[in-house]
Amino acid sequence: GQQLNQSPQSMFIQEGEDVSMNCTSSSIFNTWLWYKQEPGEGPVLLIALYKAGELTSNGRLTAQFGITRKDSFLNISASIPSDVGIYFCAGPNQAGTALIFGKGTTLSVSS
Amino acid sequence: DTEVTQTPKHLVMGMTNKKSLKCEQHMGHRAMYWYKQKAKKPPELMFVYSYEKLSINESVPSRFSPECPNSSLLNLHLHALQPEDSALYLCASSQGGGLGDTQYFGPGTRLTVL
Repeated sequence: GQQLNQSPQSMFIQEGEDVSMNCTSSSIFNTWLWYKQEPGEGPVLLIALYKAGELTSNGRLTAQFGITRKDSFLNISASIPSDVGIYFCAGPNQAGTALIFGKGTTLSVSS
Repeated sequence: DTEVTQTPKHLVMGMTNKKSLKCEQHMGHRAMYWYKQKAKKPPELMFVYSYEKLSINESVPSRFSPECPNSSLLNLHLHALQPEDSALYLCASSQGGGLGDTQYFGPGTRLTVL
């Protein structure tokens, strides 16, 4: 079945550094979603991408929908301690019957 | 406003108890979802309601029973759960009736089964 391969699995960075994470698939996706989840909370939608090649920013976050529709990346610039959490990419399967999630990237930021 | 609310925040129950989880959204969304999430894992889909009708049941054991009283409310009734059912239970909603729509999640209910 369709899978989303998310990398890296975890990142340990210093405050102020830029971060980049990505999701790839062997299948085409028509939508890419990026969520952030903090401990004990539900995932919060950060950015939604609907068109191949689309580049969207939300504050210090930038995400792109790959032109092949098989990948997406999320960048965080000038990281701060509150960026800590697990970042998930997600997208609907081809049948539109399920939202597929990547396994997540756990981000740790030291000040 | 993209808020989905869930109650309770935390729930501890014994294996013989009956309890219910509640979810509410007032965004006019027509699809609502229940997910189960284990620590450091992605959410796993359990049920989907589309236009107040159950459209997807991901082979969930019958000790979990969903209910959609109206387009704004979603319940999950729990009975005779097992310790391995302990997890974060997430509710989500999306505007249309299809899973391809962007989903917005609630804060979750942390369930512990003793």
